[in-house]
Amino acid sequence: KAGVTQTPRYLIKTRGQQVTLSCSPISGHRSVSWYQQTPGQGLQFLFEYFSETQRNKGNFPGRFSGRQFSNSRSEMNVSTLELGDSALYLCASSLAVSYQETQYFGPGTRLLVL
Amino acid sequence: GDSVTQMEGPVTLSEEAFLTINCTYTATGYPSLFWYVQYPGEGLQLLLKATKADDKGSNKGFEATYRKETTSFHLEKGSVQVSDSAVYFCALKSSNYKLTFGKGTLLTVNP
Repeated sequence: KAGVTQTPRYLIKTRGQQVTLSCSPISGHRSVSWYQQTPGQGLQFLFEYFSETQRNKGNFPGRFSGRQFSNSRSEMNVSTLELGDSALYLCASSLAVSYQETQYFGPGTRLLVL
Repeated sequence: GDSVTQMEGPVTLSEEAFLTINCTYTATGYPSLFWYVQYPGEGLQLLLKATKADDKGSNKGFEATYRKETTSFHLEKGSVQVSDSAVYFCALKSSNYKLTFGKGTLLTVNP
């Protein structure tokens, strides 16, 4: 089975621009979660989607948004980019029948904001 | 809210040494506990998990036991290899489905 894939792998943007990241979950997985990883803050939860609905949201400003499509693929969007948005953005998928299930991570998209 | 505290390191060991990375947690209810590993330039890989008290997760020589009485999930390996050099994250997941991570521990194993 193919793993979680994320595109693009690397991005360079300038302040004020917006960016869209894409995530394709493992086949059959209905939950997709997004995390931001930075050296200073570590791994922080952004949001989780299940069956096209946002089920959970972390403490990030409204500039961060996401959506999930009927095939479970997900996108996240960051508008009005700031220097502090430079990070590795990780997507994870799971079956999500039970909260005990494992989340499987993709390789991440590394975003650099100049 | 949920939280995870793990020793931040860095930890430097010689090959074949014994490894312990401490992890304690705070959570309501009965969370599931995980150890993930991250190699340079990569995403997170699940190393092992435990879903209830006294469960022992194990994989590739690594072990961790879910201790509810001490709210701990310490990672151990009897004999580390150079290839184990990576960052290790302890994490929990409670009924809100999101993973809460510790800060990560950088392990370097020297030949």
